Amino acid sequence: GAVVSQHPSWVICKSGTSVKIECRSLDFQATTMFWYRQFPKQSLMLMATSNEGSKATYEQGVEKDKFLINHASLTLSTLTVTSAHPEDSSFYICSAKDRAGGELFFGEGSRLTVL
Amino acid sequence: AQSVTQLDSQVPVFEEAPVELRCNYSSSVSVYLFWYVQYPNQGLQLLLKYLSGSTLVKGINGFEAEFNKSQTSFHLRKPSVHISDTAEYFCAVGKAAGNKLTFGGGTRVLVKP
Repeated sequence: GAVVSQHPSWVICKSGTSVKIECRSLDFQATTMFWYRQFPKQSLMLMATSNEGSKATYEQGVEKDKFLINHASLTLSTLTVTSAHPEDSSFYICSAKDRAGGELFFGEGSRLTVL
Repeated sequence: AQSVTQLDSQVPVFEEAPVELRCNYSSSVSVYLFWYVQYPNQGLQLLLKYLSGSTLVKGINGFEAEFNKSQTSFHLRKPSVHISDTAEYFCAVGKAAGNKLTFGGGTRVLVKP
């Protein structure tokens, strides 16, 4: 089946630094990617919708200057957590919509820990 | 707006016993329904989905779900669980097959020997 890869899978950073998480569709083109956030033992909350070549659409309450999303190509979207703080520690999961078939595939997630 | 309620946060079950995970949704428009499984520190794997047609949907790993429009439910079942079914299960709804999803709170299944 289609594969969506996230990198890094684990990252630890110091408070105040920025962290970039990549989401790649390995064997299909994705015009749309979605970024979710999952706190421990909780559900997934949609943060933003990323469309190739255009600005991301953020959900209510998500700071766009804090969580920068770039979707520069049909196979790559990046989420940058700027000036990270401990409360940004979370599991970030992306999903990508197959341009051809319209199906949705999820990445393996990236766990961010901010010290 | 859409919402999803998973009525059980945790479901302990013995190996080889049946299990049912309940999911109810609300939406002002027609929706597509999904069940995903998440193993620890991993992403989501699609178990099954309902887009249209037969209300009984069969998925991977022996799971099935039944869409009930009148009760706005999409309960997940497996007749005989294995230890390897221990995981978190999420019910989700979307307006289209490849659209953004609204997730339920999740149900943690713990299969005991």
